[in-house]
Amino acid sequence: QKEVEQDPGPLSVPEGAIVSLNCTYSNSAFQYFMWYRQYSRKGPELLMYTYSSGNKEDGRFTAQVDKSSKYISLFIRDSQPSDSATYLCAMSASGGATNKLIFGTGTLLAVQP
Amino acid sequence: KAGVTQTPRYLIKTRGQQVTLSCSPISGHRSVSWYQQTPGQGLQFLFEYFSETQRNKGNFPGRFSGRQFSNSRSEMNVSTLELGDSALYLCASGLGLRGTEAFFGQGTRLTVV
Repeated sequence: QKEVEQDPGPLSVPEGAIVSLNCTYSNSAFQYFMWYRQYSRKGPELLMYTYSSGNKEDGRFTAQVDKSSKYISLFIRDSQPSDSATYLCAMSASGGATNKLIFGTGTLLAVQP
Repeated sequence: KAGVTQTPRYLIKTRGQQVTLSCSPISGHRSVSWYQQTPGQGLQFLFEYFSETQRNKGNFPGRFSGRQFSNSRSEMNVSTLELGDSALYLCASGLGLRGTEAFFGQGTRLTVV
């Protein structure tokens, strides 16, 4: 079993929809949780960075962490065609110290105009 | 502020050869970590360097090695290339402290023929 599980999709939604992306994990040592966005043939771009349980909002993006359920989510409001990309969740026990991130396989999102 | 720079962007090598990839981190960042991204395995951690010392290492064979220079620039070397080494190699830089983020470069796409 992988440490981090993520539905690979693809997920197709109409423009303006609310998108929900999720990951589950098995390692209770994870304390730092990230979401990256990766466009085709580009490097991952950091979207959200959270510590422990709770919610964090940044513009149209909201990240949620539920450590008791070992479950994290990313919500995208008012989705745009430019949001079409692969979304990767990543986790770490030590945060920036050693920067060993464990990634999900990524969810491919397509936002249709 | 310039981002993480990886060179070259593309490489084609023959089985059995060796290859060196380069990464220049964001100015002020002392941590550089390397990842391999393949369609089958996703993003996997190779190793991380902080102030010229390897702090952490993933589960890759000894053919994969790296180093970091005093200006924080890092190189990764793969010897005796195999077809399975074909991948996108990503470098991430950060402050290297607990609770700080990692920022990725655009990657080097290595093809082994």
